[in-house]
Amino acid sequence: DQQVKQNSPSLSVQEGRISILNCDYTNSMFDYFLWYKKYPAEGPTFLISISSIKDKNEDGRFTVFLNKSAKHLSLHIVPSQPGDSAVYFCAASVGNEKLTFGTGTRLTIIP
Amino acid sequence: EPEVTQTPSHQVTQMGQEVILRCVPISNHLYFYWYRQILGQKVEFLVSFYNNEISEKSEIFDDQFSVERPDGSNFTLKIRSTKLEDSAMYFCASSEIAGYYEQYFGPGTRLTVT
Repeated sequence: DQQVKQNSPSLSVQEGRISILNCDYTNSMFDYFLWYKKYPAEGPTFLISISSIKDKNEDGRFTVFLNKSAKHLSLHIVPSQPGDSAVYFCAASVGNEKLTFGTGTRLTIIP
Repeated sequence: EPEVTQTPSHQVTQMGQEVILRCVPISNHLYFYWYRQILGQKVEFLVSFYNNEISEKSEIFDDQFSVERPDGSNFTLKIRSTKLEDSAMYFCASSEIAGYYEQYFGPGTRLTVT
């Protein structure tokens, strides 16, 4: 079941630069998308979400972009900070409560 | 800030034994979930629970699994007869409303079946 895919298992970014994490999905019924951040031995922490009626949502340093025609979303973090080093998961749902997760991208911020 | 809590943080059990994983969701939340993550794999949905009944479950959630809200604060996942392949991190989550709303996750219980 590969309905939500994160094709980059890892990403390294210099501190202060922009981090861009990508996510693709195949189920056109998905209408709500979320990004979670996860540290080792902790649960996923909610970062930001977007519904399919929007194409952008911004919260501080985090911006999520949604391209429905391409079935693609991305998370931009700017400026990147050392505390942003973690695994980032995108997740999607069909307006109900079940979340379908991607495999995650490990982000490393280089000081 | 309110948070979801889970106990125990690590549970080791022998194959065939019953385990109960416990969660205390955020107090004003009405929707509760269990997910699991097998080492190296993605987080997978198990079950959602609302108004004292299961609202959705995955194919993983077979007859060996059950959920319960025994009182006004706890939410439990029971595995009746554990198998080696049940070894995973189990995450509880809760949300204030269903759909178009974020779910908040607990820190997880690492279940090791030997």
